[in-house]
Amino acid sequence: SQQGEEDPQALSIQEGENATMNCSYKTSINNLQWYRQNSGRGLVHLILIRSNEREKHSGRLRVTLDTSKKSSSLLITASRAADTASYFCATGLNDYKLSFGAGTTVTVRA
Amino acid sequence: SQTIHQWPATLVQPVGSPLSLECTVEGTSNPNLYWYRQAAGRGLQLLFYSVGIGQISSEVPQNLSASRPQDRQFILSSKKLLLSDSGFYLCAWSGDGATPDTQYFGPGTRLTVL
Repeated sequence: SQQGEEDPQALSIQEGENATMNCSYKTSINNLQWYRQNSGRGLVHLILIRSNEREKHSGRLRVTLDTSKKSSSLLITASRAADTASYFCATGLNDYKLSFGAGTTVTVRA
Repeated sequence: SQTIHQWPATLVQPVGSPLSLECTVEGTSNPNLYWYRQAAGRGLQLLFYSVGIGQISSEVPQNLSASRPQDRQFILSSKKLLLSDSGFYLCAWSGDGATPDTQYFGPGTRLTVL
């Protein structure tokens, strides 16, 4: 079953704007990861944040994790047309497996 | 560097026909391997995972099966396809020493069962 749930399901923004999406989960985790999927392609790993971390940055990406609220957010700053994709959060335990949410579809308008 | 291959890229099969999808990983040894299915506009459903040759764990009871005949080869099979087996099948691996929890995905196979 899917543990992570992304919100919103879809997001449309203008190029240059920031995009924020959220992920909520139900049980304790070891780590939380964000992946991107371009239409019809495989998933690409973006960033991993461990349960003892609160914030992480990678280029234009910023991820936060609040384990008390069982939630995470992904911020994409200064969006570009190439950021158009679906974004998935995935929660990891200590058992090699990840549990994926249904994703947020982001459309960046030129 | 590591690469992951899946084939075929697309497949159209009649109901009741057999299925064999193959996934191979290069550039690493003893990876954890995964098969996922993604329905249109949905998230990923984990079908099988393997932590070693001949070790397969099934997550969802169904008419699919998986095998790992070699360290870096993972095969998804079915004896008789159902309409509900249509979807996008993704293979992934993990176990890279630097980032052991990260999964790396193949390009996927689009399966349509008619």
